[in-house]
Amino acid sequence: DAKTTQPTSMDCAEGRAANLPCNHSTISGNEYVYWYRQIHSQGPQYIIHGLKNNETNEMASLIITEDRKSSTLILPHATLRDTAVYYCIGANSGGSNYKLTFGKGTLLTVNP
Amino acid sequence: EPEVTQTPSHQVTQMGQEVILRCVPISNHLYFYWYRQILGQKVEFLVSFYNNEISEKSEIFDDQFSVERPDGSNFTLKIRSTKLEDSAMYFCASSNRVTISDTQYFGPGTRLTVL
Repeated sequence: DAKTTQPTSMDCAEGRAANLPCNHSTISGNEYVYWYRQIHSQGPQYIIHGLKNNETNEMASLIITEDRKSSTLILPHATLRDTAVYYCIGANSGGSNYKLTFGKGTLLTVNP
Repeated sequence: EPEVTQTPSHQVTQMGQEVILRCVPISNHLYFYWYRQILGQKVEFLVSFYNNEISEKSEIFDDQFSVERPDGSNFTLKIRSTKLEDSAMYFCASSNRVTISDTQYFGPGTRLTVL
């Protein structure tokens, strides 16, 4: 699995866009970039994933650079409930041994 | 929206006792996983399970651990003789692997406290 690097923490004002970066320079061609978040000690919550194209769903947008060495998760209008640890994970979800390797993630704090 | 459920939410046990943590995966999912998170540490992969057998397991998943799908809905993690260091949150996840890109969905977790 690709090693990912994320900032330890970030702050964002409520209502503003939160842009969370992730470096994954060792990601292989068949590994997807997954984003999960964990609010307090709850179970990790799936947000979005992508291979090389930008993706958008009802929660967030994922921008992946053309060389696939980095990506940015965008929460367009952050709310206080978006305060959580955000994990960027590279994983081969089509492989027989598909597992998620969590790092320390980014603690996003959304401030009023 | 379908979700993974886990019981109990909190389990307290004495060291050396056996515990069984239960999970009900999303109904059409075929792949099942257990992860754990010791307080203040990362979420760690324990084991994956498909077609009634273990697909992969981590170094943490030693002989004290076992998994089972006893019926069509439950997926269990058994720890035979608990140790203090087994105290952690245990998360179950499931996925369906229908497409080439798959997504694991996690349950709310069981907090295991070993005294």
